[in-house]
Amino acid sequence: NAGVTQTPKFQVLKTGQSMTLQCAQDMNHNSMYWYRQDPGMGLRLIYYSASEGTTDKGEVPNGYNVSRLNKREFSLRLESAAPSQTSVYFCASSELGAEAFFGQGTRLTVV
Amino acid sequence: TQLLEQSPQFLSIQEGENLTVYCNSSSVFSSLQWYRQEPGEGPVLLVTVVTGGEVKKLKRLTFQFGDARKDSSLHITAAQTGDTGLYLCAGDSGNNNDMRFGAGTRLTVKP
Repeated sequence: NAGVTQTPKFQVLKTGQSMTLQCAQDMNHNSMYWYRQDPGMGLRLIYYSASEGTTDKGEVPNGYNVSRLNKREFSLRLESAAPSQTSVYFCASSELGAEAFFGQGTRLTVV
Repeated sequence: TQLLEQSPQFLSIQEGENLTVYCNSSSVFSSLQWYRQEPGEGPVLLVTVVTGGEVKKLKRLTFQFGDARKDSSLHITAAQTGDTGLYLCAGDSGNNNDMRFGAGTRLTVKP
């Protein structure tokens, strides 16, 4: 029962470096999401994908790009990391209006 | 400004006490979800409320959806230390399935 799998779990980047966070789900869900979670801010939506082949901006998309590679996979890319992007990142998947299933999170530190 | 406002932000109570936390918005939602998150984990769904005025019970937890479908509350009876965690409400903003979260209520139940 894998559910939603995120990699890596931890990452330290230097300012200006790039990286891609990977996310895969095995529940055949159409919708996938990327959130960041900061203290006192709850979960803020970065990007989402309502179905394979579509992506849309959420609340805080600046500095990020996404790719919905296929129905299973939704990746998040930081082209030039900044200290303000230090956060815990969560990927989630769901069917429209139904329960969202989350990965374990990626703790990213940008120094 | 968050789409969903949760209060209180922090709550610390003794085991056995009752408590209520709130989730409010100026927007109408087709449904609202409540999640609980423990440290180092992703949120896990507790309940979905769909109908205005709906009340759902999950053991000691009672969830209510406002008549106008703009707000919701979570009441816990006789809190236990195992109820400690971050309680998050979430809803679809109505724009093509972009699920938004409130900032959460961090509950601590002391023995």
